[in-house]
Amino acid sequence: GAGVSQSPSNKVTEKGKDVELRCDPISGHTALYWYRQSLGQGLEFLIYFQGNSAPDKSGLPSDRFSAERTGGSVSTLTIQRTQQEDSAVYLCASSTGQWVYNEQFFGPGTRLTVL
Amino acid sequence: ILNVEQSPQSLHVQEGDSTNFTCSFPSSNFYALHWYRWETAKSPEALFVMTLNGDEKKKGRISATLNTKEGYSYLYIKGSQPEDSATYLCALMDSNYQLIWGAGTKLIIKP
Repeated sequence: GAGVSQSPSNKVTEKGKDVELRCDPISGHTALYWYRQSLGQGLEFLIYFQGNSAPDKSGLPSDRFSAERTGGSVSTLTIQRTQQEDSAVYLCASSTGQWVYNEQFFGPGTRLTVL
Repeated sequence: ILNVEQSPQSLHVQEGDSTNFTCSFPSSNFYALHWYRWETAKSPEALFVMTLNGDEKKKGRISATLNTKEGYSYLYIKGSQPEDSATYLCALMDSNYQLIWGAGTKLIIKP
């Protein structure tokens, strides 16, 4: 079946512009996660959704970052007034729910470059 | 704040040799430990989910053990092959069912 998809796969933008990243989770998965990997770093948790609600936004690095999820499916991560330090690979993952055995299925990522 | 540590940070292994590396975590209030493999230019993929002390899981040449009392898990690869080159991530599940990720062990198999 279809896995997690993300778009765009690559995004180059100028400093100060807004960008929107999209994630389509696996159908039926209620939990959705956003991570990023900066150059040379590990996985950094940003935010997760259970359904359309985001119980934990603690990982968002600044108020320039926001995310929403509609219809319990597609999610968008928006970065306003991008900065060079926002350059990273942004990964989305989904799982069937909040359960210890739930593995997370990852999308291919969006590589964001802020010039 | 839960801290998950992996060692070593990177590892070079000759093709055909076996290897192992470690994931350490706080031993209190354990829920589950996940192992993932992250190949370059691909997305992380789940290898194992481990929940019970003494658990041992196996998938082909890769296996993992879990000691929740002392707070560690080992990942073993037998007879390393070039396709095993990847970053291996462990992640501890907390009481909110969130995964706390380690920084990973980068494994490079030398032909």
